[in-house]
Amino acid sequence: QVHLVESGGGVVQPGRSLRLSCAASGVTPSRDAMNWVRQAPGKGLEWLAVISYDGSLRYYADSVKGRFTISRDNSQNTLYLQMNSLSPEDSAVYYCARDYGWTGYFNYWGQGTLVTVSS
Amino acid sequence: DIQMTQSPSTLSASVGDRVTITCRASQSISSWLAWYQQKPGKAPKLLIYKASTLESGVPSRFSGSGSGTEFTLTISSLQPDDFATYYCQQYNSYLYAFGQGTKLEIK
Repeated sequence: QVHLVESGGGVVQPGRSLRLSCAASGVTPSRDAMNWVRQAPGKGLEWLAVISYDGSLRYYADSVKGRFTISRDNSQNTLYLQMNSLSPEDSAVYYCARDYGWTGYFNYWGQGTLVTVSS
Repeated sequence: DIQMTQSPSTLSASVGDRVTITCRASQSISSWLAWYQQKPGKAPKLLIYKASTLESGVPSRFSGSGSGTEFTLTISSLQPDDFATYYCQQYNSYLYAFGQGTKLEIK
């Protein structure tokens, strides 16, 4: 059974950085691409980034390109999102989502971690 | 980038109704479309992928159709558990994108 648990959210000041983690169990790192998706309060889903199973390929939404970095440590079954230069518009629940076989759709999601950017 | 537009934004219906939600892509995405259901405070749940393939465990009252730029999600007979927000998502290109969502409310 796949289980994803995000952590690292909290309150951060504008301009600061934060790193989110997503611990995975029941996954097959050699086949899974992993994604980050966020949802601002009362708003819809926004895809942010995807990383291939070995970390060699990464793609980002324009809204976060150059500020956010997705990475993974398969030895620890953990996915990361390094977020720099945060602004209030980055306040959201951040979900990690698994894509088995890099098909493009997400069959497992974590419960999300809340990031609030505020002074 | 490919933009996804859902309609309507809100839909009021009753238990037992048949409802349809539409999703349009700004350019052709073949059949590379998924549908998700999200309930308040919960993560989204995959319902359908490749436009019309039902994810394992999803009730058969859910169905998807379409290709190219126009897609639909149909619920054949609404159940109380179906009142939620629904999102489409394109995965034709690596810059994935979601529609803005359709909130299905009880009439």
